[in-house]
Order: sequence, then structure tokens, then C-alpha cells
Amino acid sequence: DADVTQTPRNRITKTGKRIMLECSQTKGHDRMYWYRQDPGLGLRLIYYSFDVKDINKGEISDGYSVSRQAQAKFSLSLESAIPNQTALYFCATSLRTSSQTQYFGPGTRLLVL
Amino acid sequence: GENVGLHLPTLSVQEGDNSIINCAYSNSASDYFIWYKQESGKGPQFIIDIRSNMDKRQGQRVTVLLNKTVKHLSLQIAATQPGDSAVYFCAARADSSYKLIFGSGTRLLVRP
Repeated sequence: DADVTQTPRNRITKTGKRIMLECSQTKGHDRMYWYRQDPGLGLRLIYYSFDVKDINKGEISDGYSVSRQAQAKFSLSLESAIPNQTALYFCATSLRTSSQTQYFGPGTRLLVL
Repeated sequence: GENVGLHLPTLSVQEGDNSIINCAYSNSASDYFIWYKQESGKGPQFIIDIRSNMDKRQGQRVTVLLNKTVKHLSLQIAATQPGDSAVYFCAARADSSYKLIFGSGTRLLVRP
């Protein structure tokens, strides 16, 4: 969905390096999410943000941090990357309505060597 | 804890046939369900949703059926086309919260 963009789309890094994945949206949604996807597993929530001043840990936040720079921007950082953080990372957005359907970006494929 | 699972990791169908992809959920408090399609190299794309006060909802060539008694939902794709080849997964939300629980996905392969 072009309304949610992620950069970079692919990234190779080394163990111990700090990296940042960025997400921007033009949907005007107030809620943003970071997920990781591993083969054979469903999407797992890392962090979520209901607005610029409201950031919360998801089910697998250890080793990650986030920053909500603006309503439209939500970045994910790996402070010291490790090989088991190799995964597909997705950003998603939703609007605070009764359905709260989440819309996803194209993903970032991260390889930690 | 809560979980959402799909019954088959892979489903192979002939082009033109109907496809049925199944999903089971564990939390009886789940009140909203979504089906997503994920093509290779892309993010999950919303297909159709259904609330727990409904048992059927139709879209363009897709139908979602919800059976709350056995906590099961299915996605039916009519006249399956090669462009339908993708991984499909369901997600369930409980109690009007933000949180979605995702299944692991079924890969749909369409044979020409």
C-alpha cells in the first residue's frame, strides 16, 4: 500500500550494529505499529503507538526501541543487532474507530550477520 | 494464551475452481476478524473483514464465513485466478481492543 512506506526495503548489517527502520504514512491515521514476521509464524507485535506521546511495548519488544517523530512517522531501532533479529519487519497503521483495521507497509527485509 | 491458526500451510487449486481457506481462533471474546493477502515481497493487504454479530459477508469474489460456535472462520474465493496466488492469513481482535492476533498463513497455489 503506497500510503504506508518503509525504508530501507532491504538491509544487511552485522552483529552489534545499531540500525533504524523508518515508516511514513499519508493515510492520516493516528495509530502506528511495528511487527516482525518469521517463517511459519504469524506477525508478532513489537511496539505500537496510539499517538505521538503514547508509545507502548508489544509482545516482543526486547532489543528494540521506537520513536514517533510525528503523527506520520514511526521508526524502529535495533540498538545492537543480533542474528535472531533477522526477519521481515512491517509497519502498520490504523484509525481509532470501532474496527481499527490495520494497513501495512511493504516491509523491510533485515539480515543480521 | 490467545492463538489463531490456519488449518493447512499450503492449498493447491486449479484455476477457475473455488478455494476455501480455513482459520480457527481460541478466544471466544474475539469480536472482529480480518483476512489479509500477502504476495511475495509485499506487505499484507486487507481483503475483507467481519464482525462477530455477522456470520457471512461477501466481497468481490470473496466470502467470509464465521462460525462462533466452533470458533472458526473461512475465506472462500470464487473462480480462483493466478493472481490469487499468495499467502492468506486471518487476524482476530478481542474486546474492541487495538490488538490483532495473526495466524501463520496458508499459501494458495493456483495451477494453470
